[in-house]
This record gives sequence, C-alpha cells and structure tokens, in this order.
Amino acid sequence: DGGITQSPKYLFRKEGQNVTLSCEQNLNHDAMYWYRQDPGQGLRLIYYSQIVNDFQKGDIAEGYSVSREKKESFPLTVTSAQKNPTAFYLCASSTGRSSGANVLTFGAGSRLTVL
Amino acid sequence: AQSVTQLDSQVPVFEEAPVELRCNYSSSVSVYLFWYVQYPNQGLQLLLKYLSGSTLVESINGFEAEFNKSQTSFHLRKPSVHISDTAEYFCAVSRYGGSQGNLIFGKGTKLSVKP
Repeated sequence: DGGITQSPKYLFRKEGQNVTLSCEQNLNHDAMYWYRQDPGQGLRLIYYSQIVNDFQKGDIAEGYSVSREKKESFPLTVTSAQKNPTAFYLCASSTGRSSGANVLTFGAGSRLTVL
Repeated sequence: AQSVTQLDSQVPVFEEAPVELRCNYSSSVSVYLFWYVQYPNQGLQLLLKYLSGSTLVESINGFEAEFNKSQTSFHLRKPSVHISDTAEYFCAVSRYGGSQGNLIFGKGTKLSVKP
C-alpha cells in the first residue's frame, strides 16, 4: 500500500542534542512538508519542498533543518537551537501539480519529548 | 494573508445527535477549503474539500460542509453522529494559485461523542 512512513513514533531527547526524524513516501509525490502540532495550536508549517534538492522555510523554521536528496525522503533535524522542541511532528506529501488545491497525505506522526 | 478560525475548541455531543463544527476564514482572494480529521495519535486524513462548483460537499461517512462566500464560512455538519466520529477536526484554507506551503490550518475542534 502507498503511504508515508514516519520514524520513530516516539523519541526522547536530552537538552542540547540534535535529533533527526525520518519521513519516507512511496506515493511518487513531488511535494513534501513538515508540520509541528502542539495542543490547541493546530498545525504550523516548518519546511516544505516542491522538488528534489530544493526546500523553503515555513512559518516556524528556526531551530530546524531539512534535506531533500531523494524524491521519497524528507528528513527533519531538530537542532539544539530549537527552544521548545517537545511536540508532535507530522510529515505530509502531495502531488504538487495543482497549486493551492493540493490534498495532503499525512504520516502517522512522531512524538518528540525533551527530557 | 489568509486566516482560519474554528470557533469551538471542544464539542461534546451524545450519540445519534446532530453536530455542527464551525469554521470561518478570512481572505482577500478566492480560496480552496478543506476539512481534515485526526484520530488519537494518528496523522490527519482528508474528510472533504471545496475547490469549485456546488457549494455543498459531502464525505463518504455522512459529513457535509457548505461553502458560504458571503459569510466566509465552511461549517461541517453531520445529522447523526456515532461514537467512532470522536476525533479532532481541522479546517484549512489555501489560496487559488498559491504556493505549496500556503495551506493554513485552524486550531482544531475536538468532537467527543458520548453514549
């Protein structure tokens, strides 16, 4: 079945450590996204990528970094510069062919807790 | 810039009762509108979308939403809810011709269906 796989599902980190969240899709989608979800805050866009080797900052990119070396993969690194990294992180993808009208397919999420 | 307001953060209802989850948006240009649903500890799934045409859109599980341009609303309704409808519902808006990252989510409404 086609879909998006995020790993790990749960991750604990000590302050000052960088961590990388994996996102892999087999939907042949061009565009991929990372969102952060906090209780009562909805979803906020961290980074997105419309094509391999290109990505753009979203609304809350500070303290995060991404790469898009392959169409299928869009890993997110939460760096030590992120002041409050404890959150639920969601990866999504879309065909990218219809600007604005794209439907997003989401992964199951990764819950990061900073100890 | 667009924005989305979901007027109720929590909506408790009894099983088989009707429900309405309210969503208002602001935008100076034409938009596309979406409702996504999130079950506990999962990613989001598309529930329904308005792109053009009929202002009343329906999902396969009995939900419907009506695009009202004059009131800038896209409320979600179901005439009779089930326990399995318990989830968090997100309204989202994107701009015609907007970039891939231009999807704005509301803060979500938690629907709790009680027996």
